[in-house]
Amino acid sequence: QQQVKQSPQSLIVQKGGISIINCAYENTAFDYFPWYQQFPGKGPALLIAIRPDVSEKKEGRFTISFNKSAKQFSLHIMDSQPGDSATYFCAAATGSADSWGKFQFGAGTQVVVTP
Amino acid sequence: NAGVTQTPKFRVLKTGQSMTLLCAQDMNHEYMYWYRQDPGMGLRLIHYSVGEGTTAKGEVPDGYNVSRLKKQNFLLGLESAAPSQTSVYFCASSYSSVWDGYEQYFGPGTRLTVT
Repeated sequence: QQQVKQSPQSLIVQKGGISIINCAYENTAFDYFPWYQQFPGKGPALLIAIRPDVSEKKEGRFTISFNKSAKQFSLHIMDSQPGDSATYFCAAATGSADSWGKFQFGAGTQVVVTP
Repeated sequence: NAGVTQTPKFRVLKTGQSMTLLCAQDMNHEYMYWYRQDPGMGLRLIHYSVGEGTTAKGEVPDGYNVSRLKKQNFLLGLESAAPSQTSVYFCASSYSSVWDGYEQYFGPGTRLTVT
């Protein structure tokens, strides 16, 4: 079973709009939450990551919002551009001894930005 | 630097055949990982290694074996391929623990089809 649930599966946004992708998790031991961007035919690449001690992290047009009590986190892409069209994966990881180095990925969201 | 490379890029196997996927990294990373990516499932960890000569099971290890005889190489073996192993396989590496904030770098993937 997937420990990280991601929604929506896909979204279409106009150029200049805001893309919002949501993820929810159950395991409270997770303490590292990265987002990955994947272009067709390529491997995923780290986009931005957050830890539960902060509620928001911003890097350029990309912002992660984190709600520890609700066990949810989301990615906001501001001023979306056609070059942002890709599949986005959220993930969660824990450094606990029995899951050392393991990640749980969401199912992915395909984002299409129309000109 | 080539980063993370994977060989081969594509492969078609018949049920019951065996093969080895090779992953190589030139970044002197300690940690290496093998994932499979299936539609609607995100990425799932097969096996990982925290250093030369060590390997550990991930989320979906059945039907796969791995070896890390050299620090820069991580091999994924399928002893008797099954159609359920049709997938895109990604190798990744990181300098140290990803939950300590070390980025996980992915290779370009190997598309495997088992008929």
